[in-house]
Amino acid sequence: GAVVSQHPSRVICKSGTSVKIECRSLDFQATTMFWYRQFPKQSLMLMATSNEGSKATYEQGVEKDKFLINHASLTLSTLTVTSAHPEDSSFYICSATRGADSSETQYFGPGTRLLVL
Amino acid sequence: AQSVAQPEDQVNVAEGNPLTVKCTYSVSGNPYLFWYVQYPNRGLQFLLKYITGDNLVKGSYGFEAEFNKSQTSFHLKKPSALVSDSALYFCAVRPTYNFNKFYFGSGTKLNVKP
Repeated sequence: GAVVSQHPSRVICKSGTSVKIECRSLDFQATTMFWYRQFPKQSLMLMATSNEGSKATYEQGVEKDKFLINHASLTLSTLTVTSAHPEDSSFYICSATRGADSSETQYFGPGTRLLVL
Repeated sequence: AQSVAQPEDQVNVAEGNPLTVKCTYSVSGNPYLFWYVQYPNRGLQFLLKYITGDNLVKGSYGFEAEFNKSQTSFHLKKPSALVSDSALYFCAVRPTYNFNKFYFGSGTKLNVKP
């Protein structure tokens, strides 16, 4: 149980286009989903936290208009990178938790590799 | 400032030998502690967590971790390493007072040689 999927797993796009990444909890309802960015050989950087039906909470320094997050249902959250540029190339990982307690484990998706040309 | 430290970028161990991957933290209160493993181009897989109780926590794939409150450490261990354990390991800490915060260490690359 507790499987999280991401789609697509890899995407290559031209500079200036927008890219949407989906994160789904397959066998549980996720009260909260998290979006991370990981640079090569570095740790995960939390970008934002989203709860179903409400606005995402962004970390300091993350542009809300650049990285649009929509949490449409208890099993789906999307991250849209708008007007992507080469510096947005990265590995994006989502995670989800079942409950709202801090002891809850985060279950991670397999990640999406974005390359902006 | 809240932080999680993994002092070793890389740990090398021979197959069959015990392994330790170190983690110390500076997070106020009595936080919850987690270990994750990441294989190349994959997301993170949950290994184990410490919430309360016994200081030695057992997790997936034969891994265990020892919580030491006085040293604010949560080292990952395995009695006998396998080549397939080679991966990137992350320690993570979550404050009890802030559900939305999850602090990750910088990661430690474990290399297990045959």
